[in-house]
Parts: sequence; C-alpha cells; structure tokens
Amino acid sequence: EVQLVESGGGLVRPGGSLRLSCLASGFTFRTYAMSWVRQAPGKGLEWVSVISGSGGSTYYADPVKGRFTISRDNSKNTLYLQMNSLSAEDTAVYYCVKSFGDYVGDAFGIWGQGTMVTVSS
Amino acid sequence: SYELTQPPWVSVSPGQTARITCSGDALSKQFAYWYQQKPGQAPVLVINKDTERPSGITERISGSSSGTTVTLIISGVQAEDEADYYCQSADSSGIYRVFGGGTKLTVL
Repeated sequence: EVQLVESGGGLVRPGGSLRLSCLASGFTFRTYAMSWVRQAPGKGLEWVSVISGSGGSTYYADPVKGRFTISRDNSKNTLYLQMNSLSAEDTAVYYCVKSFGDYVGDAFGIWGQGTMVTVSS
Repeated sequence: SYELTQPPWVSVSPGQTARITCSGDALSKQFAYWYQQKPGQAPVLVINKDTERPSGITERISGSSSGTTVTLIISGVQAEDEADYYCQSADSSGIYRVFGGGTKLTVL
C-alpha cells in the first residue's frame, strides 16, 4: 500500500523558515516525480512545486519561486520542502503528492494527509 | 498566467446526473484531471487525462472534453458523492499546474 506521511508543519513567525518532510513507502520512490500542493484554510488547491524522480529537475509556482526549495533523498525515500521568508499568505495545509506516472507533468496520483503550516506573529 | 473556471456549486437530487464544468484556454491543448475532496480528507484523483478512470474509482464517474471545456459527470448520484471537486490542467509546457476554484456538489 502506498503511504505518504508528512511532518514538520507548525507555527512560525513571518519571515521565518520551516522544512517539511514526507516519508514515502509502498512503491519504488526513485522512479516517480513528487510534488507539494497546498490548501489555505477554507480555500482551494494550489500547486507549489514538483521534482523529478532523480531530483535533477525542479519547478516552482510563481508565488514561492526563490523562497522555497524542493529536494529528495532517494536513499531515505523522503521528499523535502525548505520554506524561507514565510508570510501569512503561506499559511496552508501542505500535501505531499506522488505523481500518477513517472513524468513531472503527470496527474497528482496519491496524496498524503497533509501537514499544517501557520505563519503568524 | 492562465485560469480554469468552475461553478462554485452544483446541486442534484439522489439518482440524478451531476455535471460539473471546467473551462479555460489551456484545455484545448493540455489534458484535464479531476479530484474529489471530502471534508477533512485529502483529495483523490477520479479522472486522469480528460476521460480515464483510475483503478478503484466508481464507474458512475466519467469525464468528457470539448474544445476549451471539460466536464465531470457523475451518474446516479448518491449521498457519498457529496464533496468538493477540482479540475486541474497545465500550461503549454505541461509542467506548471493550475487548479480550478473548485465546485461543491450538494446532494439534496
């Protein structure tokens, strides 16, 4: 069974940093692109970033470009999201998502349960 | 940037057919995907590449595409279908993804 377990969320002050982790199991992690998708309280879904299976290609949505960094450690089956210069607009549940296939543009196939990030003073 | 437009809500009676539309210029060139999200839960992929139903998704759910509009169709609606539904597509590169605003399906 595919499982994605996020961790690292919490309360952080504006301008602060946070690193999210996602531990994957139940599939060959290194062969799938992985993404982060977020959802602000009571709002819709917003794609944040995607990384290829090898980690060699990364892409970011405009609102987070230059502030967030996606990475992965295939030896640990773990996906990361380093978030810097956080603002209130980054407050959201952050979902770790496995691509449906091995292409970075594939559908968001399997979602974790999410981790909440709250940016507030 | 580009946008996908969905109606905020759709209401149907049990047993009827629900149709949720999603429109946007990107849809004439890129595939659309649909996700179902029930309260307090993570989204679930219910339609892949305009019309494909992933394994485990009920046959009552289907998708169609015409020009710049895609439609999620749920036949024989049941109370368990009540959820938010999001369409999703991508820019011309196929990598930079966008979601529609979501549609709340209410079963009367």
